[in-house]
Amino acid sequence: NAGVTQTPKFRILKIGQSMTLQCTQDMNHNYMYWYRQDPGMGLKLIYYSVGAGITDKGEVPNGYNVSRSTTEDFPLRLELAAPSQTSVYFCASSYQGTSGGSPRTDTQYFGPGTRLTVL
Amino acid sequence: AQKVTQAQTEISVVEKEDVTLDCVYETRDTTYYLFWYKQPPSGELVFLIRRNSFDEQNEISGRYSWNFQKSTSSFNFTITASQVVDSAVYFCALSGGRRDDMRFGAGTRLTVKP
Repeated sequence: NAGVTQTPKFRILKIGQSMTLQCTQDMNHNYMYWYRQDPGMGLKLIYYSVGAGITDKGEVPNGYNVSRSTTEDFPLRLELAAPSQTSVYFCASSYQGTSGGSPRTDTQYFGPGTRLTVL
Repeated sequence: AQKVTQAQTEISVVEKEDVTLDCVYETRDTTYYLFWYKQPPSGELVFLIRRNSFDEQNEISGRYSWNFQKSTSSFNFTITASQVVDSAVYFCALSGGRRDDMRFGAGTRLTVKP
C-alpha cells in the first residue's frame, strides 16, 4: 500500500492564480481530510469528506473547494490564490465505522504534504 | 470545545538524555481519543500512538513511553536515551470521535544535539 499520496510536493503561485492539490489513498478509508499547517502552528481542518459525494467544511474553509467523486480521491481546489494561503497542506484519511456494534474511530494517516507559496 | 495545549515550544537536549513532552487537553466528551504524531525535518507526519479515554494504562514502545492521566487531563510523552534522529516537531492531538473535531496542539520542537 502506498498509503496517502499527494501531488505536487511544492508549488509557487501568483496572486489570483488557481490550482488543484491532489490527494489519493489506497487504504479504502471512507473519511478524508484536508488540513493546513502554518509556520510554527498545529494543523487546522479545511474540509473533510465522509464518503464519495459527501463533503463538509472544517475550521478554515474560506478560499477553498473540494470534491469527492471516488473513495480514493479528494482534491482541494484554490480558485483565487492569496498570500494568506501560503502554507503546507496535508491530506489525511481514516476509517470511521462500527466494530461489533460499537462506533469505531480509527487513526488519521497523513500524506507527505504540499508546500504552497503564493507571491 | 476541544483544546490541546503543548506549553513547551522548543526543547533542546543532549544525546542520551531523557526528555518529556507535555500535553494537556480540554474536552467535555466522556469518550475521546488522544494521539501523538512526529514531524521530522522532512515534513511528513508520522503517527506514533493512539489512546482511548477509557484506557488509562501507560504504554511503552522501545525508548518511547506515554503517561495518560485523566485526573490532570494530560497525555505526556517521554523519550528515554534520546538520539539525534529524535529531532522533530511533535504534535499532540485530541478527537471526540466526531467527523470534524480533531484538534492539534501547536507542537513542540525537540532538538537532540550529539
